[in-house]
Amino acid sequence: DAGVIQSPRHEVTEMGQEVTLRCKPISGHNSLFWYRQTMMRGLELLIYFNNNVPIDDSGMPEDRFSAKMPNASFSTLKIQPSEPRDSAVYFCASSPPGYVEAFFGQGTRLTVV
Amino acid sequence: GDSVTQMEGPVTLSEEAFLTINCTYTATGYPSLFWYVQYPGEGLQLLLKATKADDKGSNKGFEATYRKETTSFHLEKGSVQVSDSAVYFCALSGDTGGFKTIFGAGTRLFVKA
Repeated sequence: DAGVIQSPRHEVTEMGQEVTLRCKPISGHNSLFWYRQTMMRGLELLIYFNNNVPIDDSGMPEDRFSAKMPNASFSTLKIQPSEPRDSAVYFCASSPPGYVEAFFGQGTRLTVV
Repeated sequence: GDSVTQMEGPVTLSEEAFLTINCTYTATGYPSLFWYVQYPGEGLQLLLKATKADDKGSNKGFEATYRKETTSFHLEKGSVQVSDSAVYFCALSGDTGGFKTIFGAGTRLFVKA
């Protein structure tokens, strides 16, 4: 049974470039979450979707960040333009209907130089 | 808004020592409470949960009791092992505004042989 799949696992990019992170939630799950983890700020919820609809994006740091969920099996988090302070580990998580716990992917480590 | 506060780390223990990691929360309504564990280079995994007051969650020798009167959910283990070395996150998922999960800052545990 495949878990939440994120790609790429590691991304190194130059400041100003566009970065797209991808997530495939567990089949049958209808909630999807994007988190960012840094040493300074810990684990922050950026946005979450329910049935492919964004419910709460209050954690998205600024307009450079955008997230989409075009269907139940795919989501993207895009940063354009990227900045060094965006360097972090980005986690995607999903939950099935009626469950309150989240199942996490292994994360994408983003480094912006 | 909802929040979780947990004791700062790192916590360093010898093998077979008793572990307590304190966690308190602030929430409206009746949240579910969780402990997640993160091993190096991996995503978060659910360790245990409790969904209502006085519930005790337990798994792999770890346990925590949902105390509504003290708004606490302290993690305990009677005898830690080297393999328990990881970062532990206390979290809550509220029953308002959808099932988004709010995490504490995390507590790093080192267990020495």
